[in-house]
Amino acid sequence: EAQVTQNPRYLITVTGKKLTVTCSQNMNHEYMSWYRQDPGLGLRQIYYSMNVEVTDKGDVPEGYKVSRKEKRNFPLILESPSPNQTSLYFCASRVNRAEETQYFGPGTRLLVL
Amino acid sequence: RKEVEQDPGPFNVPEGATVAFNCTYSNSASQSFFWYRQDCRKEPKLLMSVYSSGNEDGRFTAQLNRASQYISLLIRDSKLSDSATYLCVVNGRGSGYSTLTFGKGTMLLVSP
Repeated sequence: EAQVTQNPRYLITVTGKKLTVTCSQNMNHEYMSWYRQDPGLGLRQIYYSMNVEVTDKGDVPEGYKVSRKEKRNFPLILESPSPNQTSLYFCASRVNRAEETQYFGPGTRLLVL
Repeated sequence: RKEVEQDPGPFNVPEGATVAFNCTYSNSASQSFFWYRQDCRKEPKLLMSVYSSGNEDGRFTAQLNRASQYISLLIRDSKLSDSATYLCVVNGRGSGYSTLTFGKGTMLLVSP
């Protein structure tokens, strides 16, 4: 089954404790991205990657890092989480940067205390 | 003007009603348009693309008005299962890549 998977789905952590949210897709998509969704603010793109070893900042990259060492994986790293990073995070992928149809992972709900 | 703007709602309608949402966009160079559906606490999923001539998929009809820069979604004969948030998505193409901009969504609540 073609899908985007994320782990963990739910996470409670404390300020400053580094964490990684994994994202994996099995559709051989070149383009992957991370969004956060907050009430009243909608979906905002954090980072995106157009292919292996190619990443770039989205609209709200501060406090986040990403890497794209393999085509299928695109982890999101919070080196020193803060409470304002409490949010619902979605990973997404599409065939390539020109393609429009985007597939989302199931989401990761993060609470930073 | 915000890039993609939607009335957040909620729209409360009874089963069987017809309901319509509008979405306005600011980038006149936008090339393509979509409606996504998002159930509570779940991921957005593509509902339908919006074509210049308008398109229909069962009870759902999407329309595009380029002159006024808005798109619409009409849902006929609403079902309880239509309760969700509907996201308007606009694609502003650069050279060889597409940039998807999401609206904040319109919430629909269909009641028995």
